[in-house]
Amino acid sequence: NAGVMQNPRHLVRRRGQEARLRCSPMKGHSHVYWYRQLPEEGLKFMVYLQKENIIDESGMPKERFSAEFPKEGPSILRIQQVVRGDSAAYFCASSPLPLASQETQYFGPGTRLLVL
Amino acid sequence: KNEVEQSPQNLTAQEGEFITINCSYSVGISALHWLQQHPGGGIVSLFMLSSGKKKHGRLIATINIQEKHSSLHITASHPRDSAVYICAVRISGTYKYIFGTGTRLKVLA
Repeated sequence: NAGVMQNPRHLVRRRGQEARLRCSPMKGHSHVYWYRQLPEEGLKFMVYLQKENIIDESGMPKERFSAEFPKEGPSILRIQQVVRGDSAAYFCASSPLPLASQETQYFGPGTRLLVL
Repeated sequence: KNEVEQSPQNLTAQEGEFITINCSYSVGISALHWLQQHPGGGIVSLFMLSSGKKKHGRLIATINIQEKHSSLHITASHPRDSAVYICAVRISGTYKYIFGTGTRLKVLA
């Protein structure tokens, strides 16, 4: 059973470009969480998704950021018109059940985004 | 003041020592997680607690809901335990997590 997969592992973008980060949860997991880790800072919650639904996006910046988790395929975190401050490590995690049910979450290796 | 505070921020220990990392929080929570982030950046979930105590191998985690405090203990520490240990709390009634800034542990051989 493969773990949580994220790609790309490293992504370099110029200011103004779009960044698309992909997360494939573990097999059988239908709950996905995205977190951002800025350099020298702690992790910050961004969004929680179930298949085809955004459950909690209270940690997402209001502009330029969006997330989806379609019925088929990976979850996508999309950042439009990237700025240097978007440079960070973006982690996703998945769980088979909602975390409210005492289930743990499994983290992917992260995508390191660098905006030039 | 951060809603989740960890102490110490940095810790160096000799192999074999008993280690304690503390986490205090100021918000109502439904669960608390301890995470381990390796030098390469990968993150592993160690424990999820809502009450009491859990043990896994040489790791023990406790939580005191009334005092809003949790501890992570490592017995017989080993250099491979060197990592950043992160406390994260889930805010009551939400799916949102708040993370501590982590404790950087280095265990010397």
